[in-house]
Amino acid sequence: DADVTQTPRNRITKTGKRIMLECSQTKGHDRMYWYRQDPGLGLRLIYYSFDVKDINKGEISDGYSVSRQAQAKFSLSLESAIPNQTALYFCATSLASGSYNEQFFGPGTRLTVL
Amino acid sequence: AQTVTQSQPEMSVQEAETVTLSCTYDTSENNYYLFWYKQPPSRQMILVIRQEAYKQQNATENRFSVNFQKAAKSFSLKISDSQLGDTAMYFCAFKERGGADGLTFGKGTHLIIQP
Repeated sequence: DADVTQTPRNRITKTGKRIMLECSQTKGHDRMYWYRQDPGLGLRLIYYSFDVKDINKGEISDGYSVSRQAQAKFSLSLESAIPNQTALYFCATSLASGSYNEQFFGPGTRLTVL
Repeated sequence: AQTVTQSQPEMSVQEAETVTLSCTYDTSENNYYLFWYKQPPSRQMILVIRQEAYKQQNATENRFSVNFQKAAKSFSLKISDSQLGDTAMYFCAFKERGGADGLTFGKGTHLIIQP
């Protein structure tokens, strides 16, 4: 089984809809991240969390919110989706004391907002 | 804030050739990590190689090696004996050592290996 899973893998929604992307991990890592990938722009950080009680904004947090329900679960919400939020979304995890602070990525969720 | 620049949006080489992907970065930090990630059409992000800034020796992983020039803030990736399976997007990424936030990525280089 994959260590970092994301659901759904693909989602098409309409402008104005609320949508939640979910991430789960079995690696026992304390840190979790959400990134967004757009063609030609690389990956950009949306939010990150050190533990259940700690949530931090990243470079592009506007229009998004997150919830760390447990150490293993980190959800990303779009309260009112808009077309320019169409992108590939990645969840990642790392161990605070890990070597290189290496991040492990989920398989990604492709979101299309019509 | 750190920035990472990949100046080659796309590269194409013949199978078995050697190819070098460029990456430069800007930071005021002295202790940090650098990474190269591969993203094949499956879209999975795969770590290829990593380097600690305080280590002068260049990292090597099988056919993949880096040329790390700390003073020049340059971190290029060399792929030897390129294979068709190396076709992918390649991203250079930076992380401050001990920093709690995420990776800073470049915009990527699309590498195509021609048969």
